[in-house]
Amino acid sequence: EAGVAQSPRYKIIEKRQSVAFWCNPISGHATLYWYQQILGQGPKLLIQFQNNGVVDDSQLPKDRFSAERLKGVDSTLKIQPAKLEDSAVYLCASSLTSGGIQETQYFGPGTRLLVL
Amino acid sequence: DAKTTQPTSMDCAEGRAANLPCNHSTISGNEYVYWYRQIHSQGPQYIIHGLKNNETNEMASLIITEDRKSSTLILPHATLRDTAVYYCIAAMNSGYSTLTFGKGTMLLVSP
Repeated sequence: EAGVAQSPRYKIIEKRQSVAFWCNPISGHATLYWYQQILGQGPKLLIQFQNNGVVDDSQLPKDRFSAERLKGVDSTLKIQPAKLEDSAVYLCASSLTSGGIQETQYFGPGTRLLVL
Repeated sequence: DAKTTQPTSMDCAEGRAANLPCNHSTISGNEYVYWYRQIHSQGPQYIIHGLKNNETNEMASLIITEDRKSSTLILPHATLRDTAVYYCIAAMNSGYSTLTFGKGTMLLVSP
């Protein structure tokens, strides 16, 4: 079974530039998550999708971050404009959850972003 | 979600059991205890979860105290590949409940 795919694996940009990350979840997984992990800390949930609808985006900085999951499969996370404090690893995860119970989240390898 | 407290780091000799403690004194009755781990440069990986009974799977065992205020994750025979950050999370068993990761415990398994 293929895992969660993310690209790119690494990205270096200058502040005020924009950047986009892509995630392909495990086939058939209804729920998709984007997390931000700053060095030395645990992952922090940014947004959770159930199919193509947003379940929770309470911690997404909506003035600069946006995410979409068209057709309920792939997802993109965008930052525009980037700030120095956005330097982090961006992790995508998916689960089979259809809203009933908390199921195992499967994480991708992450995209490491450095903002200069 | 209830807050959890874990030691910052622990050491374990290869082949020995690794016992990772977690304190969750404010856990509510409908919150489960989840354990994930994160090997360097990888995404987190699910290990095990439980409500009040002890649980065991191919990766680990989870021992939850009777009052549910603390738990211990046991890796029975630690290997070098078990070196990772281990996260203990209290969360409701709901598809709309989120996992709140703390800083976890850095477990170093040495030869």
